[in-house]
Amino acid sequence: EPEVTQTPSHQVTQMGQEVILRCVPISNHLYFYWYRQILGQKVEFLVSFYNNEISEKSEIFDDQFSVERPDGSNFTLKIRSTKLEDSAMYFCASSARGQAEDTEAFFGQGTRLTVV
Amino acid sequence: SQQGEEDPQALSIQEGENATMNCSYKTSINNLQWYRQNSGRGLVHLILIRSNEREKHSGRLRVTLDTSKKSSSLLITASRAADTASYFCATAPPYIPTFGRGTSLIVHP
Repeated sequence: EPEVTQTPSHQVTQMGQEVILRCVPISNHLYFYWYRQILGQKVEFLVSFYNNEISEKSEIFDDQFSVERPDGSNFTLKIRSTKLEDSAMYFCASSARGQAEDTEAFFGQGTRLTVV
Repeated sequence: SQQGEEDPQALSIQEGENATMNCSYKTSINNLQWYRQNSGRGLVHLILIRSNEREKHSGRLRVTLDTSKKSSSLLITASRAADTASYFCATAPPYIPTFGRGTSLIVHP
């Protein structure tokens, strides 16, 4: 069964360093998302991406964050200068259709980011 | 953007019992989806019910939708310890899944 894969599963970084989280969405999907979940809190939407551009972003997704689809398969989230409060689980998701009735999203297993 | 709100926040039952959790939302929808999240893992899509449907089944899952009350319920029958997880509803629109705090279900063996 097709699945969304994320790498690495766990990333530890020094405060102020840049990190890139990687995702391979399901191959025929068109809509891609990043979410984060701080320990013990709810899953928060960060950004959606369609047709090689950001379609929507939350207020969490500030200038420190960027997304890219560098080739036909990868979808990345970059945090330019990490802060302690960026420590969270980051989930990538994809869906076949974003602006239609059936919008079920498929999630990866997440990357646990720890900023020290 | 709108999101569903799940109730109760926590539910603890014995294996074999049924578990019912509810979702309320505020504005008209095209569909409503239920997801499960095992601790520390990604969300898994369970079932989608459209606004013109009132009930849907998938294995041990039964979902109902009452658009007049703007609410949905998820029933898990004959629960198992492996059903221990958090359960979330997401409405569309918005067409980007957004999640509330969920219902934390613990099934005791």
